Amino acid sequence: KQEVTQIPAALSVPEGENLVLNCSFTDSAIYNLQWFRQDPGKGLTSLLLIQSSQREQTSGRLNASLDKSSGRSTLYIAASQPGDSATYLCAVSPILTGGGNKLTFGTGTQLKVEL
Amino acid sequence: EPEVTQTPSHQVTQMGQEVILRCVPISNHLYFYWYRQILGQKVEFLVSFYNNEISEKSEIFDDQFSVERPDGSNFTLKIRSTKLEDSAMYFCASSEQVNQPQHFGDGTRLSIL
Repeated sequence: KQEVTQIPAALSVPEGENLVLNCSFTDSAIYNLQWFRQDPGKGLTSLLLIQSSQREQTSGRLNASLDKSSGRSTLYIAASQPGDSATYLCAVSPILTGGGNKLTFGTGTQLKVEL
Repeated sequence: EPEVTQTPSHQVTQMGQEVILRCVPISNHLYFYWYRQILGQKVEFLVSFYNNEISEKSEIFDDQFSVERPDGSNFTLKIRSTKLEDSAMYFCASSEQVNQPQHFGDGTRLSIL
């Protein structure tokens, strides 16, 4: 059974700092990995999706990497801003066996960027 | 930008009652999902739906749960006889293709009394 772990559980940084969020998963037979942010009381906003054949994806100040063989992904946030404060979730999907792509989520990293 | 919309945002129901949670996925998306998040816990997969049928479901998705796409735009989750432990935030998600990102709605907070 796939288990997804995110470290740290919470992180507080001053504005402008570069930071790295970590995600690890126990079963390397994944189809893709997706990073989300979740604001309090809100849904999940998709940030980046990495296919299992890819090593990284970039969007603006965000860069996600994937090392499938070691079961790890990192989300790098450059020049953090207070608006980046949210919970960041990592989710993986298994090799496709049917007409869907169920995601297994980690517990998230709660990020606070302070002025 | 197109988005997934869910109604209601909050539903309070007596234990044993039936509840229907509604979702309007993004219009050109073909894959639909329901997830739930119990307060303080991980987001958990419930069910995936494609080509007008369930493609996969989790152990949580027992006979009390059902999904339906009654028309070309709505996607519903029905819980037949609610239990206290069904209290959670329920999220609907959709994706254009199976290998594309899943986009989530803002969720329905279900409170069972």
